[in-house]
Amino acid sequence: EDQVTQSPEALRLQEGESSSLNCSYTVSGLRGLFWYRQDPGKGPEFLFTLYSAGEEKEKERLKATLTKKESFLHITAPKPEDSATYLCAVRNAGNNRKLIWGLGTSLAVNP
Amino acid sequence: GAVVSQHPSRVICKSGTSVKIECRSLDFQATTMFWYRQFPKQSLMLMATSNEGSKATYEQGVEKDKFLINHASLTLSTLTVTSAHPEDSSFYICSAQGEETQYFGPGTRLLVL
Repeated sequence: EDQVTQSPEALRLQEGESSSLNCSYTVSGLRGLFWYRQDPGKGPEFLFTLYSAGEEKEKERLKATLTKKESFLHITAPKPEDSATYLCAVRNAGNNRKLIWGLGTSLAVNP
Repeated sequence: GAVVSQHPSRVICKSGTSVKIECRSLDFQATTMFWYRQFPKQSLMLMATSNEGSKATYEQGVEKDKFLINHASLTLSTLTVTSAHPEDSSFYICSAQGEETQYFGPGTRLLVL
């Protein structure tokens, strides 16, 4: 069964303290791994798509990496405005385009 | 690019009434849209997949007669919660399938009294 597991469930950092969020997955034929950011009371905001092991993408203080079993979202020198829930999802080889979601990591960055 | 809007953002209704939520892709066309429900501090729960010009596909356990979905054009999908009850109170979010991934609307907070 396709599954996505995110860890940790919650993370509290000091401003400037770099860290990584993990997304482990099992999927029948990966057709993309997706990272989103969600602020309270809002819809998820798309961050990155990764398609194959070894691929990396960066945006400001965020960098996403992918292996055959997991993805990391690295946050370098975070700021309080990076506080949010980060969601990971995968798409499998089926043609229905549905995403399989993890439960998210709630990140709090203290000033 | 890839902007999705939802209306209304917040709605309060009495038990037994119906509520319609609109989802629009503003700068791209989407043959497929998705409707999700999210409970506090939980992840997204897919309710149904909406395809333009055809019937929606509902996830197991979601009542299609209660949650009516219409995808009349390439930029508009609607979700109607019929005969709403307090247990239907939730945060409803739509997404539209773009070239790369799903792009989400801002969500609709529904409160049924």
